[in-house]
Amino acid sequence: AQKITQTQPGMFVQEKEAVTLDCTYDTSDPSYGLFWYKQPSSGEMIFLIYQGSYDQQNATEGRYSLNFQKARKSANLVISASQLGDSAMYFCAMREGLWSNFGNEKLTFGTGTRLTIIP
Amino acid sequence: DTAVSQTPKYLVTQMGNDKSIKCEQNLGHDTMYWYKQDSKKFLKIMFSYNNKELIINETVPNRFSPKSPDKAHLNLHINSLELGDSAVYFCASSQLAGGFYEQYFGPGTRLTVT
Repeated sequence: AQKITQTQPGMFVQEKEAVTLDCTYDTSDPSYGLFWYKQPSSGEMIFLIYQGSYDQQNATEGRYSLNFQKARKSANLVISASQLGDSAMYFCAMREGLWSNFGNEKLTFGTGTRLTIIP
Repeated sequence: DTAVSQTPKYLVTQMGNDKSIKCEQNLGHDTMYWYKQDSKKFLKIMFSYNNKELIINETVPNRFSPKSPDKAHLNLHINSLELGDSAVYFCASSQLAGGFYEQYFGPGTRLTVT
């Protein structure tokens, strides 16, 4: 079974609109972290935002926020007031065993969503 | 100041050759990783090292051999290259600690096997 599912292979959004990128995850571990990375056409991986499974509040970082619904196992990324520079691939990722399993801190990635902002 | 650097950025080679990709981080992190991103953009962990010790080896063919001379460097050597090895290889690093951590990625090395 897929641990991270991103169901939107591509999205087109008008500039200045808000956009939600979907991510659902599957784990039986009570402690885990969810990450979003951006990969522009230049290829580098840029960390955007993080949510821990025990965090009480949804994470926010500037125009990025994470809509964390633990019971539904979803961690959607919301980008407010989209800009042309937001056009990129976006990856959701998970690390399980957040406070244990030292030495096994791998990230499991979803297949990504290609976001295109239309002027 | 580059946090995680990789060389080379591009690598074009023929089947059967042996090649290496180098990675260095100046963040003082304990853990380093290699990820492979295939043509469909799917990223998958290959290896992780903690303080020069191999921790994760995700069923990667033994033609791939990581080497960590010290905790700031993690190199990837590939023997007998095959067409299917064509991909972008990312090095990453993080602090070894429980809880939140961010993995810092290098710029990637695009390997093309012809």
